[in-house]
Amino acid sequence: NAGVTQTPKFRVLKTGQSMTLLCAQDMNHEYMYWYRQDPGMGLRLIHYSVGEGTTAKGEVPDGYNVSRLKKQNFLLGLESAAPSQTSVYFCASSYSTSGAPYNEQFFGPGTRLTVL
Amino acid sequence: DAKTTQPNSMESNEEEPVHLPCNHSTISGTDYIHWYRQLPSQGPEYVIHGLTSNVNNRMASLAIAEDRKSSTLILHRATLRDAAVYYCILRDVGNNDMRFGAGTRLTVKP
Repeated sequence: NAGVTQTPKFRVLKTGQSMTLLCAQDMNHEYMYWYRQDPGMGLRLIHYSVGEGTTAKGEVPDGYNVSRLKKQNFLLGLESAAPSQTSVYFCASSYSTSGAPYNEQFFGPGTRLTVL
Repeated sequence: DAKTTQPNSMESNEEEPVHLPCNHSTISGTDYIHWYRQLPSQGPEYVIHGLTSNVNNRMASLAIAEDRKSSTLILHRATLRDAAVYYCILRDVGNNDMRFGAGTRLTVKP
């Protein structure tokens, strides 16, 4: 049981380049999330998905796109990277909220992205 | 959104109890209090959550004030592995947007 895995672990981009970050979970979770964490700050939600084929915006969605074609995978895309997108990106997953007072989020190890 | 206030940093000695405070004076009746922690170079991990009553699990205890405007995460015997940033988060039932603040950086001294 690998939990939540993220690919790649590190990446350096030049301004204007594009890339896709991959998140995979093997816990059969319905919900998946993408966060970013800037130095010395807490995590901020970029986009999330409540099920296969559905996505929604979080607190800081601009400059990012996402797709959830398979239940176990959640992709985060940067079409034209900017230095302001230099950050550590974390993916998380959780069970469905329906019928539960909370749902613990399980986080991946993160992807460190630098945009020059 | 209801906000939380935590000290920027705290220190503790190994094997001593640690009390991490969190103020949330604008908490609503349907907000659950969640605690996550983030070890160095790792993603956050769930610690504990509660609504009104005090809660215990294998990792920690959560003490919630009677008026719910503050709470305290209690680590009964701190170890070096407990050195991390601890986040206190308010989360409404069914809300998918967890708002992390800057948290409290806990340093554990041997």
